[in-house]
Amino acid sequence: RKEVEQDPGPFNVPEGATVAFNCTYSNSASQSFFWYRQDCRKEPKLLMSVYSSGNEDGRFTAQLNRASQYISLLIRDSKLSDSATYLCVVNRGDSSYKLIFGSGTRLLVRP
Amino acid sequence: AAGVIQSPRHLIKEKRETATLKCYPIPRHDTVYWYQQGPGQDPQFLISFYEKMQSDKGSIPDRFSAQQFSDYHSELNMSSLELGDSALYFCASSSHRDSYYGYTFGSGTRLTVV
Repeated sequence: RKEVEQDPGPFNVPEGATVAFNCTYSNSASQSFFWYRQDCRKEPKLLMSVYSSGNEDGRFTAQLNRASQYISLLIRDSKLSDSATYLCVVNRGDSSYKLIFGSGTRLLVRP
Repeated sequence: AAGVIQSPRHLIKEKRETATLKCYPIPRHDTVYWYQQGPGQDPQFLISFYEKMQSDKGSIPDRFSAQQFSDYHSELNMSSLELGDSALYFCASSSHRDSYYGYTFGSGTRLTVV
């Protein structure tokens, strides 16, 4: 079982749609949680950190449920430019701060 | 703002050759991480360095070695290259005490082994 598991993609949605991605992690010692965005053949870029209280950045909302070891990302009013792969990332929970990546969920926003 | 610089951007090598990838972290970042991403795969952690010492080791083959130098740049040395080593190799850096907040990736080196 992978340490970080995500919804399989791709998600194919029309512009303006709301889409939600889910992620679960297995290491209860994990302390830091992130969503990264990766465009084709490019490097992963930090989209947002995920905090226990939930956090919002414009059209993006992230939620964390430590009890269920579950993370989510909600994208409202999807834009064509949101098309990318979204990686759920969790730190290892030890002093190395190593980040463990999920396999990613591909989002395709169509006109 | 300065980012993580990786070189070369692209590299083509033949089987059994060696390759050296370089990474220059963001200034004042003391920690460097190397990841390998195969086609259609998620990034896999290879190795990390903090203050020029190896801090963690992942799925790095014995044919690969890496080090961090006094100026904090890092090099990944790959020997006896195999076709399966073809991948994107990302370097990321962070300030150790701020690693809690994630790290910044370089643009990657695309290695093709033929």
